[in-house]
Amino acid sequence: DAKTTQPNSMESNEEEPVHLPCNHSTISGTDYIHWYRQLPSQGPEYVIHGLTSNVNNRMASLAIAEDRKSSTLILHRATLRDAAVYYCILRDYPGGGADGLTFGKGTHLIIQP
Amino acid sequence: KAGVTQTPRYLIKTRGQQVTLSCSPISGHRSVSWYQQTPGQGLQFLFEYFSETQRNKGNFPGRFSGRQFSNSRSEMNVSTLELGDSALYLCASSLEIGGDTQYFGPGTRLTVL
Repeated sequence: DAKTTQPNSMESNEEEPVHLPCNHSTISGTDYIHWYRQLPSQGPEYVIHGLTSNVNNRMASLAIAEDRKSSTLILHRATLRDAAVYYCILRDYPGGGADGLTFGKGTHLIIQP
Repeated sequence: KAGVTQTPRYLIKTRGQQVTLSCSPISGHRSVSWYQQTPGQGLQFLFEYFSETQRNKGNFPGRFSGRQFSNSRSEMNVSTLELGDSALYLCASSLEIGGDTQYFGPGTRLTVL
């Protein structure tokens, strides 16, 4: 799987939008962009995924650059419960990937009340 | 629908012993993956089981093994425990092999003394 680069940490205020960037300059045409998050003392949790078009679900939005070399996870209104480590992961096809999910270091999101 | 369950949640063993961890996937999910999480290495893929067969394997020694039963429940075994095996072991289930969304359990915290 291609490599992703994320900032080590980010800080935001409660009830404000949060934009979490991810660079993936070596992404292939068949790589899907997945986001997972891990809250303290819990297993990772699926957030969202997409291929080319921007995606929305009840948790977040995913904005994908036109050249697909970067993407941004958007939390529209952060709460204290969104404080977690966020992982950006590339996966070949929705059902592909012979090596499971490849987690990097992720971004530690801190939410200030 | 109940989530992924893992037992036990906490375990303390001594070097040289062996340990078996259990994972019950979400009902209807046929694929079970195992991951190891340590502060130094982060989240690393161990193996994936589907239809009682190991389909994919990460870069771990043969001391790490697993199996899957006909009801999709899975166990992983670590023999001849080493201090470095102390970690959070996470199980994830998905509908199909290499499924695009993986649902993680809370993990089993293994401490090797």
